[in-house]
Amino acid sequence: SQQGEEDPQALSIQEGENATMNCSYKTSINNLQWYRQNSGRGLVHLILIRSNEREKHSGRLRVTLDTSKKSSSLLITASRAADTASYFCATAYNTNAGKSTFGDGTTLTVKP
Amino acid sequence: NAGVTQTPKFQVLKTGQSMTLQCAQDMNHNSMYWYRQDPGMGLRLIYYSASEGTTDKGEVPNGYNVSRLNKREFSLRLESAAPSQTSVYFCASRLAAGELFFGEGSRLTVL
Repeated sequence: SQQGEEDPQALSIQEGENATMNCSYKTSINNLQWYRQNSGRGLVHLILIRSNEREKHSGRLRVTLDTSKKSSSLLITASRAADTASYFCATAYNTNAGKSTFGDGTTLTVKP
Repeated sequence: NAGVTQTPKFQVLKTGQSMTLQCAQDMNHNSMYWYRQDPGMGLRLIYYSASEGTTDKGEVPNGYNVSRLNKREFSLRLESAAPSQTSVYFCASRLAAGELFFGEGSRLTVL
């Protein structure tokens, strides 16, 4: 079964609005990562948050991590049409390079 | 900067045929991964190689074999392709437990 599960499956907003998507996972992790995938392309890394961190920012992105609830959220502020993409979370279990598993993603549509 | 390079980008096979997907990275990463992505779905881990000389099964390894040829190259082989293996295949690499770097994908259709 999937380690990371994103919610909602799809999200449609107007340009300028904020977009929030969530990720839940099942077992203890070393870190959690968010990726973006434009249609027909490979995934691109957005941000990594470690298990001892609670919040992290990168430009218009804000990620939170709640290890007690085994969940994370990605907030995109002041969204743009170019943010239209699918967003995935992935978990890493330990400090070594083990496997990372992905959820089914949230498809974000930003209308101009 | 090439990053992660996959070949071929597109392939059509008939049921029962075999093929190998090639992946190479030039970032001196220790770990390499093969994922498949079905339409509207997330990525499923097929196999991974934590370091040169080691390979491990992921979530969906049946019907696939892998070879970590050297530190740069990690190939995925379908010995007898089935229609259920129609998918987009992504190779990725990384250092330790950091971010994954992905190739652009190989689109495989099995008729």
